Amino acid sequence: EVQLVESGGGLVQPGGSLRLSCAASGFIFSGYWMHWVRQAPGKGLVWVSRINGDGYSISYADSVKGRFTISRDNAKNTLYLQLSSLRAEDAAVYYCARVAGSGDDYNSLGYWGQGTLVTVSS
Amino acid sequence: DIQMTQSPSSLSAFVGDRVTISCRASQSISRYLSWYQEKPGKAPKLLIYAASSLQSGVPSRFSGSGYGTDFTLTISSLQPEDFAIYYCQQGSRTPWTFGQGTNVEIK
Repeated sequence: EVQLVESGGGLVQPGGSLRLSCAASGFIFSGYWMHWVRQAPGKGLVWVSRINGDGYSISYADSVKGRFTISRDNAKNTLYLQLSSLRAEDAAVYYCARVAGSGDDYNSLGYWGQGTLVTVSS
Repeated sequence: DIQMTQSPSSLSAFVGDRVTISCRASQSISRYLSWYQEKPGKAPKLLIYAASSLQSGVPSRFSGSGYGTDFTLTISSLQPEDFAIYYCQQGSRTPWTFGQGTNVEIK
């Protein structure tokens, strides 16, 4: 069974940093693109970043480019998101997600974690 | 960036009703369109991928159609467990983008 478990969220001051982790199990982690998606309280879903299986192909939303860094450790089956220079508008539940598969479902997110809440406030 | 626009933003329906939600892309995305269902306090759930393919385990009352810029999610007979927020998402090019969501409420 595919499982994704996020951790690392919490309260951070504006301008601060945080590292989110997503522990994966139940599948061959290195074989799949992984994504981060966030959702501010009461708002919709916003795509944040993605990384391919070997970690060499990475993309970011413009709103986080230069401030957030996605990475992965395939030996530890773990996905990371380093958040820096945090702003009030970065406050959200952050979900890690795996693409649904490697065929026609490659462009969709078939498995999601439970999310981890990041609060940015002084 | 590709903008995704859903309509309506919300709707009220009875159990048993046929419900249709539309999603329009600001440029062609071929068939790289997915639909998700979100319930309070839960992670989104993939319903439809590649515009019309039903994700494993999803009831057959859900269906998707469309190509290019115009897409539709249909629930053939609304069930009590279907009251939720539905999002479309394009995976044609980065940044991936979601629609603003459609809230399906009980009438």
